[in-house]
Amino acid sequence: DGGITQSPKYLFRKEGQNVTLSCEQNLNHDAMYWYRQDPGQGLRLIYYSQIVNDFQKGDIAEGYSVSREKKESFPLTVTSAQKNPTAFYLCASSIDIREKLFFGSGTQLSVL
Amino acid sequence: GQQVMQIPQYQHVQEGEDFTTYCNSSTTLSNIQWYKQRPGGHPVFLIQLVKSGEVKKQKRLTFQFGEAKKNSSLHITATQTTDVGTYFCAGRGDNFNKFYFGSGTKLNVKP
Repeated sequence: DGGITQSPKYLFRKEGQNVTLSCEQNLNHDAMYWYRQDPGQGLRLIYYSQIVNDFQKGDIAEGYSVSREKKESFPLTVTSAQKNPTAFYLCASSIDIREKLFFGSGTQLSVL
Repeated sequence: GQQVMQIPQYQHVQEGEDFTTYCNSSTTLSNIQWYKQRPGGHPVFLIQLVKSGEVKKQKRLTFQFGEAKKNSSLHITATQTTDVGTYFCAGRGDNFNKFYFGSGTKLNVKP
């Protein structure tokens, strides 16, 4: 939906490399999220943030890191410790943790 | 941990037939949301249910929340090719502050 921008649309990672996925929102939402989607599967929560300068691990945080230094930005770094990073990554935001999620258009990450 | 189970995983229907997907939780949910993801796209919010036994309709789509607030369903009447996509439920419990997504039901509609 409009208001959440993810970049790049496609990203390739080499062995041992860290890569960062960008997520920016102009909806003035407090909460932001990162989900991972594997083919034919549901959405699994990596990290979420309820407010600036605070974030919590989701169900599959190992091998990932995030920061929330600004309200509108929630970048996700896929580290070399993530051994199976190939997936579709979705960023989302909501007014607060209880409300509906607005998703970005996603980033497809592949390993070279 | 909390799990939201969704069935079926796939559903193939002829255009004009009805379709239903079901979500079940092992614990009571405070609310449940439904999303639709078109092929190659991202999930888009459809509706949120909060009250026990709640029923909401959006044109050909009917959403229900169970009396015990542990299950929910989405029913589409007379499917159209525009209904193609994956439908996800996302449940939030009383004791945790995030939504858990079901695995989704992928709907294919044959014209």
